[in-house]
Amino acid sequence: DQQVKQNSPSLSVQEGRISILNCDYTNSMFDYFLWYKKYPAEGPTFLISISSIKDKNEDGRFTVFLNKSAKHLSLHIVPSQPGDSAVYFCAASASYGYALNFGKGTSLLVTP
Amino acid sequence: DSGVTQTPKHLITATGQRVTLRCSPRSGDLSVYWYQQSLDQGLQFLIQYYNGEERAKGNILERFSAQQFPDLHSELNLSSLELGDSALYFCASSVEGLGEQFFGPGTRLTVL
Repeated sequence: DQQVKQNSPSLSVQEGRISILNCDYTNSMFDYFLWYKKYPAEGPTFLISISSIKDKNEDGRFTVFLNKSAKHLSLHIVPSQPGDSAVYFCAASASYGYALNFGKGTSLLVTP
Repeated sequence: DSGVTQTPKHLITATGQRVTLRCSPRSGDLSVYWYQQSLDQGLQFLIQYYNGEERAKGNILERFSAQQFPDLHSELNLSSLELGDSALYFCASSVEGLGEQFFGPGTRLTVL
């Protein structure tokens, strides 16, 4: 069963605006969450992570928010740039060093 | 460039055959993970090795096996191949104590 869900297969945003990608999970044992970005013909690239003791983590234009009670996390990209166009995967694990459970990805298109 | 290398990049073979995929982790990383990405699926965890020992197993078929060698490179062996085994196979590595996994570029396996 899919323990990590990304319900929006695609998202289109104008350059300069905010992109919000959402992710839900079902397993209460997950306490570490990551976002990866993937271009065609390349492996996933780590973007940002958050542990369950936090509710927000920022890195430049990328911010991840975690709502543990709702089992929901989101990735905000501000401002969005055309180079951000890629597939974004949400992933979760029970702890550091454990296997990652991935969502099916959201394809983001940032238009000029 | 994540520092994780995978060979070959592409592999085309026939049903019933056996193939070996190779992965070299980032320098210093002791953990190696294998993931499969089939069409329309997120990445599915197959197996993890840590410093030569199997640490965790996911949804890995009995026809598949892996090992990690003393120099820390890993090989994923796929046998009695079926059409449904056609997929992208990714290797990732991580530092002990940290959650981020760094992915290689993948091997695209096509079974005809």
